[in-house]
Amino acid sequence: EVQLVESGGGLVQPGGSLRLSCAASGFTFSTYWMSWVRQAPGKGLEWVANIKQDGSEKYYVDSVKGRFIISRDNAKNSLYLQMNSLRAEDTAVYYCARVQQWLVSEYYHYGMDVWGQGTTVTVSS
Amino acid sequence: QSVLTQPPSASGTPGQRVTISCSGSSSNIGSNAVNWYQQLPGTAPKLLIYSNNQRPSGVPDRFSGSKSGTSASLAISGLQSEDEADYYCAAWDDSLNGWVFGGGTKLTVL
Repeated sequence: EVQLVESGGGLVQPGGSLRLSCAASGFTFSTYWMSWVRQAPGKGLEWVANIKQDGSEKYYVDSVKGRFIISRDNAKNSLYLQMNSLRAEDTAVYYCARVQQWLVSEYYHYGMDVWGQGTTVTVSS
Repeated sequence: QSVLTQPPSASGTPGQRVTISCSGSSSNIGSNAVNWYQQLPGTAPKLLIYSNNQRPSGVPDRFSGSKSGTSASLAISGLQSEDEADYYCAAWDDSLNGWVFGGGTKLTVL
């Protein structure tokens, strides 16, 4: 069974740090781009970061650039999100997601097809 | 404020057909495929439609998607009570170099 399981969430004070992990199983982790997506309480989905299969390319939403670092360990089938200088507005459920590639009518399309159950991060004093 | 625009709410009675719109721009929907996600209360999002109009295995054919220019739509026919959920559209944005989502549409089955 294809599965993603996040961990590492919790309560942290403003300015603090937290490291999220995502354990992948049931598929060849090293062949997929991976993403982090978050959802603030009562709000919609917000993409946070992407990482290429070998970790050589990383992209971030502007609001976390310089504070968050996405990384991966293909030998451990794991994805990480190091979150530093946390702010109240970073409070959210954080999901890891697999980025799938589909060939449709001679074009490649992309999207997040498998999601974890999420881990909750609360930034508060 | 979300990059993609969806109506905040939609509703219908069992058996009805409802549509949810998603409006974007040339840098996202206009140049990339649209995916739709269903999020049931208290659960993680689930891929509902990919590549504008493709259904993953296991998704009922009551769900369909379409795209035209910089807009997309999700249609649900034969509405059922279990369809009550939040629905999100998403696309890659070439200018932002990242995924963008709609604000979500809460579907209520009356």
